[in-house]
Amino acid sequence: QVQLVQSGAEVKKPGASMKVSCKASGYTFIGHYMHWLRQAPGQGLEWMGWINPNGGAINYAQDFQGRVTMTRDTSISTAYMELSGLTSDDTAMYYCARGGRMIRGVYDYWGQGTLVTVSS
Amino acid sequence: DIQMTQSPSSLSASMGDRVTITCRASQTISNYLHWYQQKPGKAPTLLIYAASSLQSGVPSRFSGSGSETDFTLTISSLQPEDFASYFCQQTYTTPPTFGQGTKVEIK
Repeated sequence: QVQLVQSGAEVKKPGASMKVSCKASGYTFIGHYMHWLRQAPGQGLEWMGWINPNGGAINYAQDFQGRVTMTRDTSISTAYMELSGLTSDDTAMYYCARGGRMIRGVYDYWGQGTLVTVSS
Repeated sequence: DIQMTQSPSSLSASMGDRVTITCRASQTISNYLHWYQQKPGKAPTLLIYAASSLQSGVPSRFSGSGSETDFTLTISSLQPEDFASYFCQQTYTTPPTFGQGTKVEIK
């Protein structure tokens, strides 16, 4: 069965960087886009960007341009999302989600979430 | 960016009630509209994709309809496990955007 397993919760200082991993199993990793999203406490969902594991093409949301880096390691079916220059506004639950075979595809499987807390 | 306006933001209902949630897009999105359920502390799960297609394993009391700009999620007979938040999402254009959510609470 399809599973996305994310790395564990992190506590970071303002100005630091964070890196979350998302290990995929149960399907062909390079066959589906991988999206990253976040959800601040009590708030809605915010899309951060996608990576195409087949080749590594990326597309970042404008709000995160210059601060986010999405990568993947196809040998271990794992996607990564790194966010730099953290502030308290980045405190949120971060999710990876499997997209479709095309960019417009639905997100049919989600990771369990990684809580990142930014605090001095 | 396409704005997704979801209503109501919350509702109180009783078990067995028929519940309808609407989502309106600021421009046409064809049928690239999807519905997710989220329970507290959990990741969203997909209910309906492409406006009206039921995701595998999702109970048939959930249904979706609509096209272009106006969409509806209906729960035909509310069950205890349905008390949760619901989000619509468009993937027609980048960036994909979400409605602000509807929290379904017990009356």
